[in-house]
Amino acid sequence: DTGVSQDPRHKITKRGQNVTFRCDPISEHNRLYWYRQTLGQGPEFLTYFQNEAQLEKSRLLSDRFSAERPKGSFSTLEIQRTEQGDSAMYLCASSSSGGMYTGELFFGEGSRLTVL
Amino acid sequence: KNQVEQSPQSLIILEGKNCTLQCNYTVSPFSNLRWYKQDTGRGPVSLTIMTFSENTKSNGRYTATLDADTKQSSLHITASQLSDSASYICVVSLVGGSQGNLIFGKGTKLSVKP
Repeated sequence: DTGVSQDPRHKITKRGQNVTFRCDPISEHNRLYWYRQTLGQGPEFLTYFQNEAQLEKSRLLSDRFSAERPKGSFSTLEIQRTEQGDSAMYLCASSSSGGMYTGELFFGEGSRLTVL
Repeated sequence: KNQVEQSPQSLIILEGKNCTLQCNYTVSPFSNLRWYKQDTGRGPVSLTIMTFSENTKSNGRYTATLDADTKQSSLHITASQLSDSASYICVVSLVGGSQGNLIFGKGTKLSVKP
């Protein structure tokens, strides 16, 4: 296992189109997180899963955003009717729960979205 | 309110010099604190992680310190290299709470010049 992988790395789309990002976490990790990061800012929490259960969603996650982790392995983040303000880097991270270093995150390389 | 504040926002130093980045937090109950390095256009990579009982931890030329009483942490970079140019993000984990238990700082952007 080489770490967290995200696909695609870059996506350019026109306003109003739908986009979907995929994240494959480290295989033994049961927690998976989605973050959004804009230029010059730290990552902003969007949502996280423990196994297949979506345990928390940020208020940043409008009804145009939906995330799934159907079998507790890979996850998808879909944005419907994209807006220019959705342009950002979407980061996925995974971690195991429990232990002294609970929640140590391993990030993917991110999916950069540009909405024209 | 649980917050993580980092300073300075940006920093420029000459290659070979040392520097120290600061992280102050108002997170409770505290679980652990970690520093991440993020190269431009890449995902963050973990540098160090410390629990409340650990005062210092090193990773090569990177040394993190933690004062759980004053709720302050620092990241010291020794003998900087051009490849240290990146954003450094402080992340605090709390026991229970929201946001998946992790509070992110906005990062310090370090530029190392030749």
